[in-house]
Amino acid sequence: AQSVTQPDIHITVSEGASLELRCNYSYGATPYLFWYVQSPGQGLQLLLKYFSGDTLVQGIKGFEAEFKRSQSSFNLRKPSVHWSDAAEYFCAVGLGGGNKLTFGTGTQLKVEL
Amino acid sequence: GAGVSQSPSNKVTEKGKDVELRCDPISGHTALYWYRQSLGQGLEFLIYFQGNSAPDKSGLPSDRFSAERTGGSVSTLTIQRTQQEDSAVYLCASSPTPQETQYFGPGTRLLVL
Repeated sequence: AQSVTQPDIHITVSEGASLELRCNYSYGATPYLFWYVQSPGQGLQLLLKYFSGDTLVQGIKGFEAEFKRSQSSFNLRKPSVHWSDAAEYFCAVGLGGGNKLTFGTGTQLKVEL
Repeated sequence: GAGVSQSPSNKVTEKGKDVELRCDPISGHTALYWYRQSLGQGLEFLIYFQGNSAPDKSGLPSDRFSAERTGGSVSTLTIQRTQQEDSAVYLCASSPTPQETQYFGPGTRLLVL
């Protein structure tokens, strides 16, 4: 069965520092790949997605992610974190005709001022 | 334009009672998904609709859970004889077609006492 791994449950960074959140997936083919962000009490907001083509994708709020087929990874990056980026981040893969999403367990990001 | 809306935003019920959760997708979106977010299980897929049909119900945890969609629009998730383990946030998402990005609603927080 397919799976998504986010190895870091919690990450703390200082405001202005760079950020990388890790995501690895296990699936026989290249799935659709997504990063969503969830602020407390809110739904999920799409940051970016990869379907095909250029392996470096740009998203909203200054985030980017790079798809690496050889490593089955889709890590999320941001050059300079803002305090408002504190939230929980979910990596997800979409599979099959219905594109149902399988989510990782999430990474909780704390930003220190 | 309007996003995905869900009602109620919060629901408290007693064990054994039935509950109905409603989802209004983005207008024109043919695909609709239900997910559940709980502390123990993370984010899990429940069911997917294409139009009014549900080609994938594989995530429904028991026969106490059912869902329907009418007019290719509104969907209702029904939980019969609720149990405490049903306590979770129930998220609805919609997409223009199954192969496109899913947009999430704010969720319904269900508490079973």
